[in-house]
Amino acid sequence: EPEVTQTPSHQVTQMGQEVILRCVPISNHLYFYWYRQILGQKVEFLVSFYNNEISEKSEIFDDQFSVERPDGSNFTLKIRSTKLEDSAMYFCASSELVTGKAYEQYFGPGTRLTVT
Amino acid sequence: TQLLEQSPQFLSIQEGENLTVYCNSSSVFSSLQWYRQEPGEGPVLLVTVVTGGEVKKLKRLTFQFGDARKDSSLHITAAQPGDTGLYLCAGARNTPLVFGKGTRLSVIA
Repeated sequence: EPEVTQTPSHQVTQMGQEVILRCVPISNHLYFYWYRQILGQKVEFLVSFYNNEISEKSEIFDDQFSVERPDGSNFTLKIRSTKLEDSAMYFCASSELVTGKAYEQYFGPGTRLTVT
Repeated sequence: TQLLEQSPQFLSIQEGENLTVYCNSSSVFSSLQWYRQEPGEGPVLLVTVVTGGEVKKLKRLTFQFGDARKDSSLHITAAQPGDTGLYLCAGARNTPLVFGKGTRLSVIA
C-alpha cells in the first residue's frame, strides 16, 4: 500500500542552524502539507502546497519557514534559523484532490526535530 | 478559531467492553476524519465522514457524523487490547485539518 515517507526520522540541531526535513508524498497525490506536533499537544497545520505554490499557511509558518518541491517526488520543509521552540514532531501529509478526497490526508511517520 | 473538543481525554476499560468517544465543535465542517496515532508515529487515517448523519463502520468501529456536521462519535464494540491508542478527530473546512487533542484509550486484558 502506498505511503508517505519522511527523512530523517530524528534530527538534532543547534539553535540558529538551518534544517531541511524531507518527505516523499504518495505518488498520485497532488496536495502536500506540513503539520507539527509539540510533545503532548495537538497536531497543528503549518502549510499546504499545490501546483508548485503555497495554497494556505498558518500563523506558525513565518519567514523562517519555507517549502519546496525540488523534483517530481520530494517535498521539503526548511527552517532557516531554528529556535528552541521549533522542537517538535513534523509530519508531512498528502491528498489526492482539494474537493472530495482532499480531506483524506495521509500522514508520514514524522521527523522528530530537537533543537538544543 | 475552530476548536474540536474530544471527550473523554482518557479512557481505561476492560477487554470486551463497549465504548464511545466524542468529538464536538461549535463550527460546521465539510468533513471529519478520525485518525489513530501510536507514540512517536504519524496519525493513521481510519475513516472520513462527509454527509450530516452519515454512519460508517470499520469492523468493530462505528463512526457517526452529526446531522449539523459539527460533531462526531466513535463507538467501539467489544474492545480489544489492540485497540489501545490515541484516537484523534480532525475537521476540514478547506484543506487544513483542525485536530482535537485526542482520546487516549487503554484496553486492559
